[in-house]
Amino acid sequence: DAKTTQPNSMESNEEEPVHLPCNHSTISGTDYIHWYRQLPSQGPEYVIHGLTSNVNNRMASLAIAEDRKSSTLILHRATLRDAAVYYCMSVGGSTLGRLYFGRGTQLTVWP
Amino acid sequence: DTEVTQTPKHLVMGMTNKKSLKCEQHMGHRAMYWYKQKAKKPPELMFVYSYEKLSINESVPSRFSPECPNSSLLNLHLHALQPEDSALYLCASSQGVGGSEQYFGPGTRLTVT
Repeated sequence: DAKTTQPNSMESNEEEPVHLPCNHSTISGTDYIHWYRQLPSQGPEYVIHGLTSNVNNRMASLAIAEDRKSSTLILHRATLRDAAVYYCMSVGGSTLGRLYFGRGTQLTVWP
Repeated sequence: DTEVTQTPKHLVMGMTNKKSLKCEQHMGHRAMYWYKQKAKKPPELMFVYSYEKLSINESVPSRFSPECPNSSLLNLHLHALQPEDSALYLCASSQGVGGSEQYFGPGTRLTVT
């Protein structure tokens, strides 16, 4: 499986932008980069995914490096509700859809 | 509707009991998954069903028996569990097993006594 590396924790103030980094240097050329988050006492929640181009949706933006060895999840204005563990994963042809959750990044948002 | 439902929310069972966990989705998804999550750990994949057929078993002990009666339903039958099997069991579904996103249910909190 393609291994991903994320910082253990990050902090932000409310209404500030947050940039969550992820390294995936061994990603396969056909694998997508997926981001999920898990709020306390809930199941994981899909955030965003992409292959090569940067992606935007109502929750976040995903910036993918040109060589695809890293990506950054961008929360444009953090809210208290965004406090969660954020997981970055590669998914697709080489993984047959398996999601391998690493330790993720615990995001703390301060009021 | 992007909802995956799981029942029951909580389950306590003895080591000699037989019980089942149920998962349902009505999004027309053709892939469904079971994950196990221990406290303060990330979820771990157990099984993958694609078009109602078991496609991946991540070396899960036989005391866990999955079943996919139809494209909307996924069950996990439990028998002779051990206390270390106590965990949050999560169900998810996706359009296919390629790069499509997975939608998770809230989980069933299982305690084995």
